[in-house]
Amino acid sequence: KAGVTQTPRYLIKTRGQQVTLSCSPISGHRSVSWYQQTPGQGLQFLFEYFSETQRNKGNFPGRFSGRQFSNSRSEMNVSTLELGDSALYLCASSTSTGLETQYFGPGTRLLVL
Amino acid sequence: DQQVKQNSPSLSVQEGRISILNCDYTNSMFDYFLWYKKYPAEGPTFLISISSIKDKNEDGRFTVFLNKSAKHLSLHIVPSQPGDSAVYFCAAQGTYKYIFGTGTRLKVLA
Repeated sequence: KAGVTQTPRYLIKTRGQQVTLSCSPISGHRSVSWYQQTPGQGLQFLFEYFSETQRNKGNFPGRFSGRQFSNSRSEMNVSTLELGDSALYLCASSTSTGLETQYFGPGTRLLVL
Repeated sequence: DQQVKQNSPSLSVQEGRISILNCDYTNSMFDYFLWYKKYPAEGPTFLISISSIKDKNEDGRFTVFLNKSAKHLSLHIVPSQPGDSAVYFCAAQGTYKYIFGTGTRLKVLA
């Protein structure tokens, strides 16, 4: 079974631009979560989607948004990029059937100049 | 409000010895805990998990211990190998989200 895939793997943007990241979950997984990792900050939860509905959201500004499609694929969008948005963005999927394990993709490395 | 804490940012261990990584949590409602291993520029890889109905779970060289009264879990790696050098994150399953600690960088010395 294929793992979680994320595209693109690397991105360079300038301040003020917007960016869209994509995540394809493991087949059969209906829950997709997004995290931001910056040095020394661990993994900060952005949001979680299940059946095209956002069920939970972390403490990030409204510039960060996401959506999920009927095939469970998810996208994350960041508008008006700031230098501090430079990070590794990770997507994880799970079956969301109870006590369960999230499986992560390789991440998208975003650099904002 | 850091609900999951890993107070040791780094740990060095000799090859063949035991590595013990610690994690504390504050929310007694958490009932599922996980450990992930992460190499630079890669996504975290699932290692081992434990539910709150157990106090120990083993998988090969990896054992996770859960002390609910102390709200503490630990990951033991025996014997440690150079390939285990990575950042280790503990996580707790919350409501439709996972809360991660800030990670412990393990370095296994050959």
